Amino acid sequence: GNSVTQMEGPVTLSEEAFLTINCTYTATGYPSLFWYVQYPGEGLQLLLKATKADDKGSNKGFEATYRKETTSFHLEKGSVQVSDSAVYFCALSLYNNNDMRFGAGTRLTVKP
Amino acid sequence: EPEVTQTPSHQVTQMGQEVILRCVPISNHLYFYWYRQILGQKVEFLVSFYNNEISEKSEIFDDQFSVERPDGSNFTLKIRSTKLEDSAMYFCASSEGRGGLKTQYFGPGTRLLVL
Repeated sequence: GNSVTQMEGPVTLSEEAFLTINCTYTATGYPSLFWYVQYPGEGLQLLLKATKADDKGSNKGFEATYRKETTSFHLEKGSVQVSDSAVYFCALSLYNNNDMRFGAGTRLTVKP
Repeated sequence: EPEVTQTPSHQVTQMGQEVILRCVPISNHLYFYWYRQILGQKVEFLVSFYNNEISEKSEIFDDQFSVERPDGSNFTLKIRSTKLEDSAMYFCASSEGRGGLKTQYFGPGTRLLVL
């Protein structure tokens, strides 16, 4: 079936550290891939997306590249800030499907 | 920037009671969705809705659940007889079109607690 696997958290980093959150997917077709972020007490916000292989999504210093050969969409940021502390969800959606499949979420805590 | 809104933000109810969760999708969007997130678990798809009917639903969306677009702006999720395991955060989402090419925009959620 269609699914997303994310690295388990929680992840704790110091400010200005490099962040990678791994995400791999399984899909029967050609999915679009997303990263959503959930700040404490809030809903899901779209962080970035990529709709085809080799596309790079980017926003607020975060990047992820759609890698078809490794079925991955890892999230990276070169220098994290305390305000990046949140739960990050990788998700996929297929062209012919309406339901999004989410990963389990990775909680990131950034310490000053 | 347009956004999806949901009311109430929190709802506490007794087991067996009916609850209605409300959502106002983004105004030019045509597809509407409900998801839920049990505390500490994955976000799970419940149902999608287009052209005044359900287009897809998951196995979670059983006869206890129903959705409705009662007017031109609201989209509701009704749980007829709540169970303890219905306690979760419920997210509404909307999109311009179907499928992966169209981003789903999520509301802030309604936290439902069934006692």
